[in-house]
Amino acid sequence: GAVVSQHPSRVICKSGTSVKIECRSLDFQATTMFWYRQFPKQSLMLMATSNEGSKATYEQGVEKDKFLINHASLTLSTLTVTSAHPEDSSFYICSAGVANEKLFFGSGTQLSVL
Amino acid sequence: KQEVTQIPAALSVPEGENLVLNCSFTDSAIYNLQWFRQDPGKGLTSLLLIQSSQREQTSGRLNASLDKSSGRSTLYIAASQPGDSATYLCAVTQGNALNFGKGTSLLVTP
Repeated sequence: GAVVSQHPSRVICKSGTSVKIECRSLDFQATTMFWYRQFPKQSLMLMATSNEGSKATYEQGVEKDKFLINHASLTLSTLTVTSAHPEDSSFYICSAGVANEKLFFGSGTQLSVL
Repeated sequence: KQEVTQIPAALSVPEGENLVLNCSFTDSAIYNLQWFRQDPGKGLTSLLLIQSSQREQTSGRLNASLDKSSGRSTLYIAASQPGDSATYLCAVTQGNALNFGKGTSLLVTP
């Protein structure tokens, strides 16, 4: 099946720094990529929808200036957590697909902000 | 707003038992429904996808059913094994995004 690579798998950073997470579709072109966040024992929550070449669409309550999403090509989307705070510590997962087809997920990034 | 509920939240069974996980959703206007497996600290593995026009899908020891009109899906696991221990998530697709339930944490004991 299709492969989505997410990097890094784990990152620890100091409060106030920025962290970039990459999501790549390795063997297909993804017109749409999604970013999710999961707090412990909670369901995955959609943060934003990223379409190649256009601005991301953010879900209500997600700060677009804090969570910068770039989808510069059909195989790469990045999520940058700017000025990270401890409350941003979470598990972030990306998924990629082609309109209404089966979505494929990255392996996730565990972010810990000290 | 779509709400996805999974029952039970946690389940512990001895090896070899058959079991059923339940998922319900409030808005039946879905494109498809997927069941995922999530191991601790890991990403998601897609297990089964059921299109809205389908009633069930099978893969090995797994069988998922969908009753769209009543907003319900079940995941049946036959002859459970310790390796099946994980969190199982169901998610419904509306538009291009998925709405997830909180998952059922399954523990299969030897």
